[in-house]
Amino acid sequence: KNQVEQSPQSLIILEGKNCTLQCNYTVSPFSNLRWYKQDTGRGPVSLTIMTFSENTKSNGRYTATLDADTKQSSLHITASQLSDSASYICVVSAENNNDMRFGAGTRLTVKP
Amino acid sequence: GAGVSQSPSNKVTEKGKDVELRCDPISGHTALYWYRQSLGQGLEFLIYFQGNSAPDKSGLPSDRFSAERTGGSVSTLTIQRTQQEDSAVYLCASSLWGGYNTQYFGPGTRLTVL
Repeated sequence: KNQVEQSPQSLIILEGKNCTLQCNYTVSPFSNLRWYKQDTGRGPVSLTIMTFSENTKSNGRYTATLDADTKQSSLHITASQLSDSASYICVVSAENNNDMRFGAGTRLTVKP
Repeated sequence: GAGVSQSPSNKVTEKGKDVELRCDPISGHTALYWYRQSLGQGLEFLIYFQGNSAPDKSGLPSDRFSAERTGGSVSTLTIQRTQQEDSAVYLCASSLWGGYNTQYFGPGTRLTVL
């Protein structure tokens, strides 16, 4: 069983709307959680990194939240743009930071 | 400055042949990672280099896979006797050092094994 579960698997929204992507994990002991954006045919690009002591972090229109007690994270995208269409991947690291667990990603499509 | 570069961008090979994939990390980054992304699948960790320490090879799927990092910079991922299931995009990432540092990814090498 994957230790990082993302939902939804795919999402279609209209340009300008907001959306929230979810990441639940069971990785323990927890070290940090990263959100990546991956455009089709490109390598992933880091959006945010959070440790257990950080419960929110923003990067432009992207805001990530983390609840280390419930082992849940969300990525909120505000005022979506067509260029936001991509896969969003949640990656959780254990204290031995080589041990990274990747979610399967959420495929977001923003339509005009 | 220059980002992570990988070569070739595309590689088509016949089953049973050996292939070498190259990664040039960002200058000064001590940590280097290799990942694999199969069609429709998530990222899969393969191997991690940190400075002069012994690499973490725990993600390599079989002994046909090996990687080197020469002089703490350029890395080569070698796949021997390729199989069709090796077809994937192979991504390299580097970071300033390991741990809580942003990993910068290269564009990947798309490997197709016929």
